[in-house]
Amino acid sequence: DAGITQSPRHKVTETGTPVTLRCHQTENHRYMYWYRQDPGHGLRLIHYSYGVKDTDKGEVSDGYSVSRSKTEDFLLTLESATSSQTSVYFCAISGAGKPGAETQYFGPGTRLLVL
Amino acid sequence: GNSVTQMEGPVTLSEEAFLTINCTYTATGYPSLFWYVQYPGEGLQLLLKATKADDKGSNKGFEATYRKETTSFHLEKGSVQVSDSAVYFCALSDFTGNQFYFGTGTSLTVIP
Repeated sequence: DAGITQSPRHKVTETGTPVTLRCHQTENHRYMYWYRQDPGHGLRLIHYSYGVKDTDKGEVSDGYSVSRSKTEDFLLTLESATSSQTSVYFCAISGAGKPGAETQYFGPGTRLLVL
Repeated sequence: GNSVTQMEGPVTLSEEAFLTINCTYTATGYPSLFWYVQYPGEGLQLLLKATKADDKGSNKGFEATYRKETTSFHLEKGSVQVSDSAVYFCALSDFTGNQFYFGTGTSLTVIP
């Protein structure tokens, strides 16, 4: 199994509070991704990173920001949580850019409930 | 643009039945194609992949063939087991390899 951990695994928070989710990898992969998973929508990309301090927006980036100060850590921040951000969040990594290394590997997920 | 369409679920089968989950894609260039499986309460795990036309990916009795002429990557298994109950996602990565697109998932339940 790819070495990917997410913390926390579960969180309950209140509307309007900031929340930070952490993804940590031990694979030294260049690319890291944050997705949210919701019924009927499958997985939707929030943001991704292609290197330290290099990030880009995905399909559903509004209300989210990310940071990557080290290769192994990718943080997702909800600036002011809303109930529509209640979801399961998955981090993924890949060695994209190298031939045959484009497979994504996923963390165990963080279940977030915004009241 | 790039997108993946997979058959709606849920799918319920009896043990030892034949499984097909349809997946079609739209892509520019030459994407790689994937099937991922998600067991309850867990993250997605790679099940199989194919990186060029006519390639067949296989794993744990599951197979899928990359058909460029029909833009399809259907998942099949000859005899399902109760332990195959999960949600299955079809996905593609574009020619750059750094953008991934997922289908909405198909829930499979196998009953004894």
